[in-house]
Amino acid sequence: DTAVSQTPKYLVTQMGNDKSIKCEQNLGHDTMYWYKQDSKKFLKIMFSYNNKELIINETVPNRFSPKSPDKAHLNLHINSLELGDSAVYFCASSQVFREYYNEQFFGPGTRLTVL
Amino acid sequence: DAKTTQPTSMDCAEGRAANLPCNHSTISGNEYVYWYRQIHSQGPQYIIHGLKNNETNEMASLIITEDRKSSTLILPHATLRDTAVYYCIVSPQGGSEKLVFGKGTKLTVNP
Repeated sequence: DTAVSQTPKYLVTQMGNDKSIKCEQNLGHDTMYWYKQDSKKFLKIMFSYNNKELIINETVPNRFSPKSPDKAHLNLHINSLELGDSAVYFCASSQVFREYYNEQFFGPGTRLTVL
Repeated sequence: DAKTTQPTSMDCAEGRAANLPCNHSTISGNEYVYWYRQIHSQGPQYIIHGLKNNETNEMASLIITEDRKSSTLILPHATLRDTAVYYCIVSPQGGSEKLVFGKGTKLTVNP
């Protein structure tokens, strides 16, 4: 059973389009994250939600809008896609207050290519 | 920005111990040291964490210096499947803190 799953695994689209990436975790965690890994392999936090509430919002263009319908899901919607949005996007989850340390479980990633 | 410094790359022979160093000289008293790794094209995977004491689990051992300014991750018997980028991260206590990834160390285990 996959703990953190993402769909789709690959996404190829044209500039200017709007697309969504979905993430689901079956671990019962209450915190979920989106990270972006660019072509230089730097992995950076974008957003974090705790019990459907936004708690981390890094400097990300407002074309990116996360949505958490429930604590098991955190979707990422991207408007007006740009070439620079091409990257691998990772979803992760963790359980707050689990012995006060932060073991995050990552999904397999979604490779977004904007043409 | 990442608060850690790691060598860019390291090599290790299969079956030998891999010792990956990390400097975190500005670590605060309430910050843990975490190690994650990323095998090619996969999501990062948690390995181990520690605060002050040395730690060991089924994957690795973590040795933290007494002044907490550096640490070493030890993979006791490296296998080819341990080839990955290893990230050393310092992060405050709390289950929902963000992880700030640096460049990591690319460990190559050779047959």
